[in-house]
Amino acid sequence: GNSVTQMEGPVTLSEEAFLTINCTYTATGYPSLFWYVQYPGEGLQLLLKATKADDKGSNKGFEATYRKETTSFHLEKGSVQVSDSAVYFCALSESNSGYALNFGKGTSLLVTP
Amino acid sequence: GAVVSQHPSWVICKSGTSVKIECRSLDFQATTMFWYRQFPKQSLMLMATSNEGSKATYEQGVEKDKFLINHASLTLSTLTVTSAHPEDSSFYICSARVIRDRGSEQYFGPGTRLTVT
Repeated sequence: GNSVTQMEGPVTLSEEAFLTINCTYTATGYPSLFWYVQYPGEGLQLLLKATKADDKGSNKGFEATYRKETTSFHLEKGSVQVSDSAVYFCALSESNSGYALNFGKGTSLLVTP
Repeated sequence: GAVVSQHPSWVICKSGTSVKIECRSLDFQATTMFWYRQFPKQSLMLMATSNEGSKATYEQGVEKDKFLINHASLTLSTLTVTSAHPEDSSFYICSARVIRDRGSEQYFGPGTRLTVT
């Protein structure tokens, strides 16, 4: 079956530090890959996505590249801000599962001034 | 655009009672709605998939007689937790899927915090 594994947090960084959150997946077919963000007290928001191999999703300074050869979709940001403090979820969806999202466990990020 | 609402945002009920949670897509029609459950500091677990006008498809281990899902229209799905027990206390989140020209998108509701006493 499908699964998503992401690095466990919490991750604590100083403002302007470089961020990497690792995410790897297993899938039976050709999934679409996503990063969602959940800010404190809010619902999930789509941060970025990639639908096929070698695609790069980007948004708000975050990037992730769909790597089929390593089955990875690592999230990166060159310079984090305090406002980036949130929980980040890696997820995949496939047509053979009705496009339901299969989530990783989430990584909590805390950025300190 | 693409707003999904849930009602109520939080609810406290007594053990043995039933609770209904509504999920609405406010400005679009959703071909499919999903219900997830999130335990504290854990990920979202898919409970069921519902398509308008048809029976919901439940994930393995989810009791369909306990978690009743009704998808009455393209903008409304309801989850009823029947005979709730304290172990049903959780954060319930719905999402709505819409098909667009560039593919499909899923939009999430803000979640409903259920506490069973």
